[in-house]
Amino acid sequence: AQTVTQSQPEMSVQEAETVTLSCTYDTSESDYYLFWYKQPPSRQMILVIRQEAYKQQNATENRFSVNFQKAAKSFSLKISDSQLGDAAMYFCAYQRAGSYQLTFGKGTKLSVIP
Amino acid sequence: GAGVSQSPSNKVTEKGKDVELRCDPISGHTALYWYRQSLGQGLEFLIYFQGNSAPDKSGLPSDRFSAERTGGSVSTLTIQRTQQEDSAVYLCASSRDRDSYEQYFGPGTRLTVT
Repeated sequence: AQTVTQSQPEMSVQEAETVTLSCTYDTSESDYYLFWYKQPPSRQMILVIRQEAYKQQNATENRFSVNFQKAAKSFSLKISDSQLGDAAMYFCAYQRAGSYQLTFGKGTKLSVIP
Repeated sequence: GAGVSQSPSNKVTEKGKDVELRCDPISGHTALYWYRQSLGQGLEFLIYFQGNSAPDKSGLPSDRFSAERTGGSVSTLTIQRTQQEDSAVYLCASSRDRDSYEQYFGPGTRLTVT
């Protein structure tokens, strides 16, 4: 079974600084997708960024980028120029290609200090 | 267009009562998912609907849980004879189809069983 591990239950960052959230996963599959979701206090999960395992290039979305290390099964999220609105729970998730089930990590609570 | 909507936003019920939670997916999305988010278990997959196909109920925790999707759109998750361990946030998500690796989530229903 696939597992997703987020080893940092809580993180904090100074406004305008950069922070990296860690995620590792375990799978025997070669084709899969990885995601970072953000869940603010409003509870609505928002897709931040997606990475296809077959792509070597790391995905980026504005201030958000990932460091995808397939051999190490690592998928970290870097947030640059942190803003107060970035404060939220961040979940790393895995989805095997051809499957519709998302497997989530336990989440990392990010606080942004003004 | 409108996102995924869920109702009610919050529900408090007495142990032993039945509850119904509703999900309205994004218009045109054929795939619909239910997840449960609880403190101890994180985010768990419950059930998946794709068009008119038989749903995947493999994540339902007990036979007290059931779900239906009428007309390929609105879905209702029913929990019979609620227990305190059913207290959680129930999240609904939809995607364009089963081959779309992006799920869009609703704001969830927080269920509290007293």
